[in-house]
Amino acid sequence: GENVEQHPSTLSVQEGDSAVIKCTYSDSASNYFPWYKQELGKRPQLIIDIRSNVGEKKDQRIAVTLNKTAKHFSLHITETQPEDSAVYFCAASTSGFQKLVFGTGTRLLVSP
Amino acid sequence: EPEVTQTPSHQVTQMGQEVILRCVPISNHLYFYWYRQILGQKVEFLVSFYNNEISEKSEIFDDQFSVERPDGSNFTLKIRSTKLEDSAMYFCASSASGGYGYTFGSGTRLTVV
Repeated sequence: GENVEQHPSTLSVQEGDSAVIKCTYSDSASNYFPWYKQELGKRPQLIIDIRSNVGEKKDQRIAVTLNKTAKHFSLHITETQPEDSAVYFCAASTSGFQKLVFGTGTRLLVSP
Repeated sequence: EPEVTQTPSHQVTQMGQEVILRCVPISNHLYFYWYRQILGQKVEFLVSFYNNEISEKSEIFDDQFSVERPDGSNFTLKIRSTKLEDSAMYFCASSASGGYGYTFGSGTRLTVV
């Protein structure tokens, strides 16, 4: 089955810096890659997603890149702000009503 | 913005007792899911449900677990005989279009003592 690995487990940056979180997946049939932000005690919230027919997607300060050949995808956050501090999870899925397989999470801390 | 609603937000139960976790998915969604998250760990898939039947389940979802959509709005997860290791946050999710664009509920924190 699908296995998703995520790095780093923790990431500390200064406000205004960029942050990059990387994930690799094992199942070449996976074609949907969402990223979730989870604040302490709260639900995972979808922040951006990408399907396998595109290599990059951007939404304001957040971007995701996908390399299907290498089976990895990355989340890029520019101009980080303290409110970006949270745990970020990547996930992978095949089409249809398939499950999401989550990575192990990255705790991002943005210091003022 | 439509939400997935879960009740209760926190449940404490004795080991061996049965619990029912309740979810109200977004009204026009057709795909329903349960996930769990043990404290400090990643989110893990339990089960997916479509067209009134289970479409996939994980190895975690053994015979002590069951799901039901008893009416047109609720989606429930029953744990028949709880164990200490069932203590976790349980998230319900729904989707209009299969595995894309999930919306997660706010979760039920289950504590088994």
